Amino acid sequence: NAGVTQTPKFRVLKTGQSMTLLCAQDMNHEYMYWYRQDPGMGLRLIHYSVGEGTTAKGEVPDGYNVSRLKKQNFLLGLESAAPSQTSVYFCASNRRGRDEQFFGPGTRLTVL
Amino acid sequence: DQQVKQNSPSLSVQEGRISILNCDYTNSMFDYFLWYKKYPAEGPTFLISISSIKDKNEDGRFTVFLNKSAKHLSLHIVPSQPGDSAVYFCAAMEGGSEKLVFGKGTKLTVNP
Repeated sequence: NAGVTQTPKFRVLKTGQSMTLLCAQDMNHEYMYWYRQDPGMGLRLIHYSVGEGTTAKGEVPDGYNVSRLKKQNFLLGLESAAPSQTSVYFCASNRRGRDEQFFGPGTRLTVL
Repeated sequence: DQQVKQNSPSLSVQEGRISILNCDYTNSMFDYFLWYKKYPAEGPTFLISISSIKDKNEDGRFTVFLNKSAKHLSLHIVPSQPGDSAVYFCAAMEGGSEKLVFGKGTKLTVNP
């Protein structure tokens, strides 16, 4: 099992460009999450999904959109990137809310 | 307003000694607490959890203590090993919620 994978690993964008981060899990988990981690900060929840076709806002959802069209995939979109979105993005999944979350290796995004 | 606080950004201990990492929380609705460990350039990995109905949970070298009246939990690692050097995040969850709230993390260095 690959667990949770994230694509790409690194990306540099210019202000105003758009991109999509892909998260995939092969553990048949219902729940999936997107977090961002900034220097000196903990992980902050951007959006999450409790099942295929569902999404919900987390703590810092502004500037991001998500989609969960397939159970195994959770996409995070930036429509118009801003320097404030420079961060490391982590995807996670679990079977249900109270289970441990399994994290991907992260995507390092720089917005110039 | 930070609901989960890890007031020590860093901690250094000698190999074989005890490491104690502390976490305080402000939200009295939190009823489930977890610790995650993170190595550089990797995603966090789950370490240990505790429900608010318990005051202690042990797993090998790792023990988590919960003091509900003080809204405080701590992670004890005994004996500490160089491979334990990582950033440790405390996280908490409200009853009925799927969302984890993370602290900023404590960087543990175990010196040989």
